[in-house]
Amino acid sequence: NAGVTQTPKFRILKIGQSMTLQCTQDMNHNYMYWYRQDPGMGLKLIYYSVGAGITDKGEVPNGYNVSRSTTEDFPLRLELAAPSQTSVYFCASSYVGRGQEKLFFGSGTQLSVL
Amino acid sequence: DAKTTQPNSMESNEEEPVHLPCNHSTISGTDYIHWYRQLPSQGPEYVIHGLTSNVNNRMASLAIAEDRKSSTLILHRATLRDAAVYYCIPLNDYKLSFGAGTTVTVRA
Repeated sequence: NAGVTQTPKFRILKIGQSMTLQCTQDMNHNYMYWYRQDPGMGLKLIYYSVGAGITDKGEVPNGYNVSRSTTEDFPLRLELAAPSQTSVYFCASSYVGRGQEKLFFGSGTQLSVL
Repeated sequence: DAKTTQPNSMESNEEEPVHLPCNHSTISGTDYIHWYRQLPSQGPEYVIHGLTSNVNNRMASLAIAEDRKSSTLILHRATLRDAAVYYCIPLNDYKLSFGAGTTVTVRA
């Protein structure tokens, strides 16, 4: 059982480049999330989705876009990379059931923008 | 959203218990209290959660104060593998908000 799979694990971008971080889950979870974690800090929510076709902004959505065309996939798009987007990105998914939610996280994508 | 206060760091000896406190005095009556931990270079992993009653699982125990304004995560016998950052999170609207957490160091 793979759980939440993120690709790539590492990436270096130049300022102004674009890329898509991939996230796939095989647990049939309806909720999916993208977080970023700066060095020595806690995680901050970028975007989340409550089901296919439905997405919403988290705490720090600027500079990012998401889509959710299937239950399994929740890609995160960076259109014009900036040094401030250097961070570790985590994707997560959960089954939602009145406080019983447990988030399952991927292993992360370490992104550097130079 | 409910705010939490956790100590920045705690140290323990291997095989000894660790009690991690969390203050969440602004928690609403329906917010579950979740605990996650993050091992070095990994994504967070679920530890335990509860609403009002104390909870136990194979990883830890969660003691919730009667007024729900605080809780304590208990690792009964710390091992080196328990060295991690531990996050206390009141769950609000299906979104977890992670603070800085408590960094636990376990001495051999």
